[in-house]
Amino acid sequence: QKEVEQNSGPLSVPEGAIASLNCTYSDRVSQSFFWYRQYSGKSPELIMSIYSNGDKEDGRFTAQLNKASQYVSLLIRDSQPSDSATYLCAVIPLYQAGTALIFGKGTTLSVSS
Amino acid sequence: GAVVSQHPSWVICKSGTSVKIECRSLDFQATTMFWYRQFPKQSLMLMATSNEGSKATYEQGVEKDKFLINHASLTLSTLTVTSAHPEDSSFYICSARVHNEQFFGPGTRLTVL
Repeated sequence: QKEVEQNSGPLSVPEGAIASLNCTYSDRVSQSFFWYRQYSGKSPELIMSIYSNGDKEDGRFTAQLNKASQYVSLLIRDSQPSDSATYLCAVIPLYQAGTALIFGKGTTLSVSS
Repeated sequence: GAVVSQHPSWVICKSGTSVKIECRSLDFQATTMFWYRQFPKQSLMLMATSNEGSKATYEQGVEKDKFLINHASLTLSTLTVTSAHPEDSSFYICSARVHNEQFFGPGTRLTVL
């Protein structure tokens, strides 16, 4: 069974610190990886996608992928209180147009000012 | 990113009535849309995959006769909750994929009295 695992948290960091969110997946042939942010009462918002091993940076966010270790992470630099949300890791096992994302249960991040 | 809209954003209905939720892709065509449900403080649960011009594929445990899905065009999918009961009260979110990235609508909060 394909699974995506995340530490549920809460992860608490002070404002300005780096928040590190981690995710592991069980399906070795997974090819596409995503990070979503979900504020309480809102729907998920795509913040990063990554397909190749290594780092991908977008503003304060850096996604890291290690397919050999089946591990994907999200770093948030200079964390702000507005970053407080649940972060969902998601995976598509193999790119197919009709295949739904497999989500982890999410990590709750709390950034204190 | 691509824009997905949902209507209504919230609805309150009496037990036994039916409720229709619309999901539209505003700036792209979506041959496939996904319907999720999320209960408070729980993770997203995939209910069904909606394919334009064909029958939806339902996840195990989701009653297809209760949750009717129609994907009549490349920009519109509808979810009808038939004979709604209080246990159907939840946050319903649709999603569509474009260029391997999946975008979510804002969600519909259903409350059944």
